[in-house]
Amino acid sequence: GQNIDQPTEMTATEGAIVQINCTYQTSGFNGLFWYQQHAGEAPTFLSYNVLDGLEEKGRFSSFLSRSKGYSYLLLKELQMKDSASYLCAVRDTTRGKLQFGAGTQVVVTP
Amino acid sequence: SAVISQKPSRDICQRGTSLTIQCQVDSQVTMMFWYRQQPGQSLTLIATANQGSEATYESGFVIDKFPISRPNLTFSTLTVSNMSPEDSSIYLCSVYRQGGYEQFFGPGTRLTVL
Repeated sequence: GQNIDQPTEMTATEGAIVQINCTYQTSGFNGLFWYQQHAGEAPTFLSYNVLDGLEEKGRFSSFLSRSKGYSYLLLKELQMKDSASYLCAVRDTTRGKLQFGAGTQVVVTP
Repeated sequence: SAVISQKPSRDICQRGTSLTIQCQVDSQVTMMFWYRQQPGQSLTLIATANQGSEATYESGFVIDKFPISRPNLTFSTLTVSNMSPEDSSIYLCSVYRQGGYEQFFGPGTRLTVL
């Protein structure tokens, strides 16, 4: 099985940087995903890490350490529209299914 | 990418009835999944819809309550049977292609059971 932990809520100011941590325990690992979900909408894909290291995509970056069972999502130059829930998810090797953490609600203030 | 549509987008149902949710993808996909998202919660995997065979259910979910069909590589249905208010949730279809990595989500079906 899998156990995925991430903080419940984080608040940051517009223009600032926020780092959302995710730790996981899994019997099999085939990639870690970050999704953004605005209220009332479906999750949208942000990033994917399967090897250790940092993946950068515009204002968003994601880091993975497989040996530590740890990832983070870094949001830079925060904008008001970044207020959303950010979901960490791990894909297992058995059937490719994704298991999700509880999500981190990011609140961006003016 | 994959374009996924779900029908209905929302429904309000009476206790004890059943609702079938449809998921249509614009291209053939290997894997199709059904998730549930209860109010204020994250996503919970219900089952993997397998083409040509019975679905694979996660712990806590059973076929009698959530029968699933997948007649081809672009379509699946999830039925929520004998509904109770606890089944009020958003139900999401999700897909990914073998050889790819990104997993896409449909817009969801918002179900309210009275």
